[in-house]
Amino acid sequence: GAGVSQTPSNKVTEKGKYVELRCDPISGHTALYWYRQSLGQGPEFLIYFQGTGAADDSGLPNDRFFAVRPEGSVSTLKIQRTERGDSAVYLCASSLNPVDTQYFGPGTRLTVL
Amino acid sequence: GNSVTQMEGPVTLSEEAFLTINCTYTATGYPSLFWYVQYPGEGLQLLLKATKADDKGSNKGFEATYRKETTSFHLEKGSVQVSDSAVYFCALITNTGNQFYFGTGTSLTVIP
Repeated sequence: GAGVSQTPSNKVTEKGKYVELRCDPISGHTALYWYRQSLGQGPEFLIYFQGTGAADDSGLPNDRFFAVRPEGSVSTLKIQRTERGDSAVYLCASSLNPVDTQYFGPGTRLTVL
Repeated sequence: GNSVTQMEGPVTLSEEAFLTINCTYTATGYPSLFWYVQYPGEGLQLLLKATKADDKGSNKGFEATYRKETTSFHLEKGSVQVSDSAVYFCALITNTGNQFYFGTGTSLTVIP
């Protein structure tokens, strides 16, 4: 079956602009996660959704970052007033249940100039 | 807190050599432990996992044993191939948590 998909695969934007990154999880997976991976580092947790609600957003670095999952499937990560330090690969993962294996998408590489 | 420490890379081995990538962890509760692999140009893929102490995860010739007494989950393979060249990430999730904690990754290059 289809895995986790993310769009766009690459996004280049200018400092101060607004961006949206989309994640389409595996069908039927109720848990959805966003991570950020900087060069040479492991992924770092941003936010976790169980269904439509954000069950844990403790990893969001500041209030410029926001994510939604209005219908319990597709999720959008939104970044306002982008900064050069936001440049990273943003990963989405989904799992059938919490505390279960997470399946990762290919990521969106965000570059802020 | 929860954290994972893994062996610094990069690691370069000749084909058919023995591989060990060390991973130790700190966790509250009873974590499940994972190894993920990232091949060049691809996303993270689950390699193997173990959910309780003394369990051994295995896949594609790779093995790792969950050692609670040493808080370790070292990855091993008896004979590596060129196609094993990738970045390997050790990770944990606690039985009460919602997020993975990843190590920094170990880059492996296998040369013919």
